[in-house]
Amino acid sequence: QVQLVQSGAEVKTPGASVKVSCKASGYTFTGSYLHWVRRAPGQGLEWMGWINTNTGVTSFAQKFQDRVTMTRDTSVSTAYMELNRLRSDDTAVYYCARDLGGRYVFWGFDFWGLGALVTVSS
Amino acid sequence: QSALTQPPSASGSPGQSVTISCTGTSRDVGTYNYVSWYQQHPGKAPKLMIYEVTKRPSGVPDRFSGSKSGNTASLTVSGLQAEDEADYYCSSYAGTNKGVFGGGTKLIVL
Repeated sequence: QVQLVQSGAEVKTPGASVKVSCKASGYTFTGSYLHWVRRAPGQGLEWMGWINTNTGVTSFAQKFQDRVTMTRDTSVSTAYMELNRLRSDDTAVYYCARDLGGRYVFWGFDFWGLGALVTVSS
Repeated sequence: QSALTQPPSASGSPGQSVTISCTGTSRDVGTYNYVSWYQQHPGKAPKLMIYEVTKRPSGVPDRFSGSKSGNTASLTVSGLQAEDEADYYCSSYAGTNKGVFGGGTKLIVL
């Protein structure tokens, strides 16, 4: 069965960086795009970007363009999202989600990780 | 990309139908048939309910249906059940490899 297992909760100070991992199993890791989505407390879902797990090509929401990096290690079927220059309003649960489109992005996220809480506080 | 517009809340009694709207622009919902809907219960990960405007993933009850007209997509939940109470989010492809979510709608089953 498809599973996306994310790393644990993190507490960071403003200005620091955080790197969240997402380990995939139950399907061919390089056969589907992975998206990153976050939900801040009291807010809605926010799309951050995607990574083509086969080629490593990425696309980001304009809001995160200069602060986010998305990478993958195909040898361990794991994707990573690193967010730099953290601010208090980056406090959120960060999810990875698989795109159902296979080789293409179909903008339907059929499997999700459980989320990783990142708290940014001085 | 600006967030898609959803009503903050919607409600209905068990057995009734309720429709949640999702309004975008001609740059996203109005142009692309890549509209999806997600259900999220408190403390849980979102769950895909509808993709490509009208398609239901395996396992999603046919009480859930999607549609689109112009720049507005809609999710209809028929035969409301208590377990349908949750937050619902729409999303759409917004061109140039970007996506966007709506602000979310809290569905209350009275």
